[in-house]
Amino acid sequence: DGGITQSPKYLFRKEGQNVTLSCEQNLNHDAMYWYRQDPGQGLRLIYYSQIVNDFQKGDIAEGYSVSREKKESFPLTVTSAQKNPTAFYLCASGASGGYTFGSGTRLTVV
Amino acid sequence: QKEVEQNSGPLSVPEGAIASLNCTYSDRGSQSFFWYRQYSGKSPELIMFIYSNGDKEDGRFTAQLNKASQYVSLLIRDSQPSDSATYLCAVYAGGTSYGKLTFGQGTILTVHP
Repeated sequence: DGGITQSPKYLFRKEGQNVTLSCEQNLNHDAMYWYRQDPGQGLRLIYYSQIVNDFQKGDIAEGYSVSREKKESFPLTVTSAQKNPTAFYLCASGASGGYTFGSGTRLTVV
Repeated sequence: QKEVEQNSGPLSVPEGAIASLNCTYSDRGSQSFFWYRQYSGKSPELIMFIYSNGDKEDGRFTAQLNKASQYVSLLIRDSQPSDSATYLCAVYAGGTSYGKLTFGQGTILTVHP
């Protein structure tokens, strides 16, 4: 089955620590996206990539970094510079025909 | 001004009623329109999309698009408690959007027995 796999489902980060969220898709989509969702809020775009080895900042890129070395993979690193990282992180792929979302990673600062 | 706005919620309807969810968008050149359903703690899932003016029906769901008024809506007939979720409207504006969708803030729907 084609789809998007995000891992881990739950992640705990200590103060000052960098953590990486994984996103893998087998839908053969060129474009991939990372969103952040806070409780009761909509989706906010962090980064997106339309092609391998290229990515663009979204609306809230500060404190985050990404890479796109393979078409299938778009990992997101939450750095220690992100002061309020506790949120639900969603990865998506697709384009003008609509997105498919992964199941999400819930990140909590401990 | 937000690019995609949804009617403020939460929206509460009795079981069996019609739920009406509304969305307006600012870019007159927008080409594609999507409705996603998101259950609490889960990721959004695509339930409807519409490209042309008029109505599109799929089971109990009807999407309505009026490009002149820059308005898209989702009607849920015979609402069920299982329809209780947050509904997200998304718009593809074309041109320099390069495939990016713009999402509204979502409307929480509660269907009570």
